[in-house]
Amino acid sequence: DQQVKQNSPSLSVQEGRISILNCDYTNSMFDYFLWYKKYPAEGPTFLISISSIKDKNEDGRFTVFLNKSAKHLSLHIVPSQPGDSAVYFCAASGPSGSARQLTFGSGTQLTVLP
Amino acid sequence: GAGVSQTPSNKVTEKGKYVELRCDPISGHTALYWYRQSLGQGPEFLIYFQGTGAADDSGLPNDRFFAVRPEGSVSTLKIQRTERGDSAVYLCASSLSPGANTEAFFGQGTRLTVV
Repeated sequence: DQQVKQNSPSLSVQEGRISILNCDYTNSMFDYFLWYKKYPAEGPTFLISISSIKDKNEDGRFTVFLNKSAKHLSLHIVPSQPGDSAVYFCAASGPSGSARQLTFGSGTQLTVLP
Repeated sequence: GAGVSQTPSNKVTEKGKYVELRCDPISGHTALYWYRQSLGQGPEFLIYFQGTGAADDSGLPNDRFFAVRPEGSVSTLKIQRTERGDSAVYLCASSLSPGANTEAFFGQGTRLTVV
């Protein structure tokens, strides 16, 4: 039973446009959510996070939105750049928010077309 | 470098053999994690160390898998009697502490192929 789901395995976006990556979760005990980016042959790198007490967190071109009632979060990248092309993983933890035992989604391959 | 280092980067082994995968965490990071990523999936938690002790090994799939961190720094993941289903990328991560909202930094992974 997947507790964190990324239903879109891939997404293609034109350079300069907005990329929206979606993630759903089922475990209501999760209270901290993260997005990781992964390039081929590299480990995942932390991108942005959000605590369940917030509904939005912004860092430069990246914004994460959390809808707790819908158990849904999304990552917005605007404007998208070719260097953003990577696999994006949504992850969740809780109830303590500890870094241990993150539960990951299966990832979305983002391709930004020049 | 200052990041998490994993060796080897690739390992091919025959079914039934024993393998060891090594992780060098970021200096000063007390928490260390092992994850396994199968093809088309996200990373799955295996085990977490706080210092030298395994604080949570609930993700280890069976008793063929074992991990140690004898001096609270380098960790070794050991797999006995390997099976083809063990083929995956094994990721190690470390964090400054296991505390709330602490970022985990991942290594590049070891790709294990059991033939």
